[in-house]
Amino acid sequence: TQLLEQSPQFLSIQEGENLTVYCNSSSVFSSLQWYRQEPGEGPVLLVTVVTGGEVKKLKRLTFQFGDARKDSSLHITAAQPGDTGLYLCAPRGNTGKLIFGQGTTLQVKP
Amino acid sequence: NAGVTQTPKFQVLKTGQSMTLQCAQDMNHEYMSWYRQDPGMGLRLIHYSVGAGITDQGEVPNGYNVSRSTTEDFPLRLLSAAPSQTSVYFCASSVLPFAGNQPQHFGDGTRLSIL
Repeated sequence: TQLLEQSPQFLSIQEGENLTVYCNSSSVFSSLQWYRQEPGEGPVLLVTVVTGGEVKKLKRLTFQFGDARKDSSLHITAAQPGDTGLYLCAPRGNTGKLIFGQGTTLQVKP
Repeated sequence: NAGVTQTPKFQVLKTGQSMTLQCAQDMNHEYMSWYRQDPGMGLRLIHYSVGAGITDQGEVPNGYNVSRSTTEDFPLRLLSAAPSQTSVYFCASSVLPFAGNQPQHFGDGTRLSIL
């Protein structure tokens, strides 16, 4: 059974601060996706990481896939109120089950 | 661009009633799935389908039925609604096989309350 954990569950910070959220599992993944969900909407894909150790940057967001492909992190530099939302990781294995972590709710205060 | 369309957007049911949540996609995606999202939690997979005529259970399938008679449609049925099924339901679709940067495309959700 795959155990998928995201941490922290909730984060409230001031505009301009940096933060990191984590997605950890006991299983190895072929790839992993990060989504952001805003209130009242469905999740939207931010990035896919495929190779162990891979780092991808999307403006102020930096995504890293662990060397063993069991974990990933999302780092936001100089957070802005527009970054507020629910951040979800979704690993991809070899089956058709696309599951999500429980998410990290980020609140960035002006 | 219609993408993934869910209907209805809101629904209130009484315990024991049945209903069907509709989901349609116009992207010719083989993979479709249903999730439920409860306050403070992420998305939990209910059922999924890798093509017409093929469905399988996700993480929380009890109390829900699905069918996939066409590539476009993937309805979710609640046969006897229970208050524990109060949630926001999301339908999603994706190309197969899962590769590269292909996302799951989500609908806007159905907010279901069961009294």
